[in-house]
Amino acid sequence: NAGVTQTPKFQVLKTGQSMTLQCAQDMNHNSMYWYRQDPGMGLRLIYYSASEGTTDKGEVPNGYNVSRLNKREFSLRLESAAPSQTSVYFCASSVPGSSYNEQFFGPGTRLTVL
Amino acid sequence: AQSVTQPDIHITVSEGASLELRCNYSYGATPYLFWYVQSPGQGLQLLLKYFSGDTLVQGIKGFEAEFKRSQSSFNLRKPSVHWSDAAEYFCAVGVWGNDMRFGAGTRLTVKP
Repeated sequence: NAGVTQTPKFQVLKTGQSMTLQCAQDMNHNSMYWYRQDPGMGLRLIYYSASEGTTDKGEVPNGYNVSRLNKREFSLRLESAAPSQTSVYFCASSVPGSSYNEQFFGPGTRLTVL
Repeated sequence: AQSVTQPDIHITVSEGASLELRCNYSYGATPYLFWYVQSPGQGLQLLLKYFSGDTLVQGIKGFEAEFKRSQSSFNLRKPSVHWSDAAEYFCAVGVWGNDMRFGAGTRLTVKP
């Protein structure tokens, strides 16, 4: 199993450009998540998808959109990138179950917006 | 709202010395607690977790953590640190459903 994979690994954008970050998991997990990691702030949840066909906002959703394409894939889109969106983005997925479940993380995408 | 505080931004220990990383949480009910480790340029890997039961939990790589309800703490410990333990460590608290909050992280440096 590859676990959680993310593409691309690195990206540089100019202000106003758009891009989509891709995430896929092969663990048959129902729930998937997008986080951003900034120095001194830990990880903050952007959006999550509890199951295929559903998405919900997290702590910092402004400036982002998501699509749960199918059970395996969960993409994050920046429609008009801003320098404040320079960050490392992590995708995660979690084991299905009735209680809170641990999350498994991808390797991250390092995004710089100039 | 639930929150997690890791008071130490950066800790340096000598190889072979013991380690304790502090984590305090704020949450009304019994939380689900996690410690993750992040090596440079990598994603997060789960070290251990606490859901219920025995308050001393064992994890991978020789780490353990103790849940103390009275102190709202979940400190991570290791009796003898190895150079390969140098990384950033995150404490996290989860609640029912999909909400999870991370601390700001503690960066561990290991001196030879």
